[in-house]
Amino acid sequence: DAKTTQPTSMDCAEGRAANLPCNHSTISGNEYVYWYRQIHSQGPQYIIHGLKNNETNEMASLIITEDRKSSTLILPHATLRDTAVYYCIAATADSWGKLQFGAGTQVVVTP
Amino acid sequence: DTGVSQNPRHKITKRGQNVTFRCDPISEHNRLYWYRQTLGQGPEFLTYFQNEAQLEKSRLLSDRFSAERPKGSFSTLEIQRTEQGDSAMYLCASSSPYNEQFFGPGTRLTVL
Repeated sequence: DAKTTQPTSMDCAEGRAANLPCNHSTISGNEYVYWYRQIHSQGPQYIIHGLKNNETNEMASLIITEDRKSSTLILPHATLRDTAVYYCIAATADSWGKLQFGAGTQVVVTP
Repeated sequence: DTGVSQNPRHKITKRGQNVTFRCDPISEHNRLYWYRQTLGQGPEFLTYFQNEAQLEKSRLLSDRFSAERPKGSFSTLEIQRTEQGDSAMYLCASSSPYNEQFFGPGTRLTVL
């Protein structure tokens, strides 16, 4: 699975959009981009995933560049409860059993 | 609650003792995963089951570790002769094929 690179940390003001970048320059054609988050002392929580097209669900939007070498997770209206570590993972659909988590991005939402 | 559950939530043991953790997945999920997470790091894959078959084990899973899922439902992870380096959060997740994994709250192990 391709390696991903994320900033170590970022701050976001409550009510504003949070844009979380992820680089995956070695991603292969059959690898999806998955995002999970982990709130302190809890297990990771699935957010969204995509292959080529932009995706949106009730939690977030995922924007994938045309060359697929990077992506951005957008939390449209950040709340204090969005404070968490966010993980970007590149993996094939049949490697669901081997999610390779990196260190992620620590997002702190401030009032 | 129909989510993934893990027991115990916390375990403190002395070095050299054996410990066993239990994971109850979401009932309709046939895939079950174990991960380990140390402080400041993301979870690391240990092993996974499809039904009762253990299909893959990470090199992280030394001979002291054994996982079972005897009836394709709940799973246990046993660590024999614990070492201080085994101190970590042990996470369980479940999924149906080609779908996202749902994680439990984890079992935090402290080896003294």
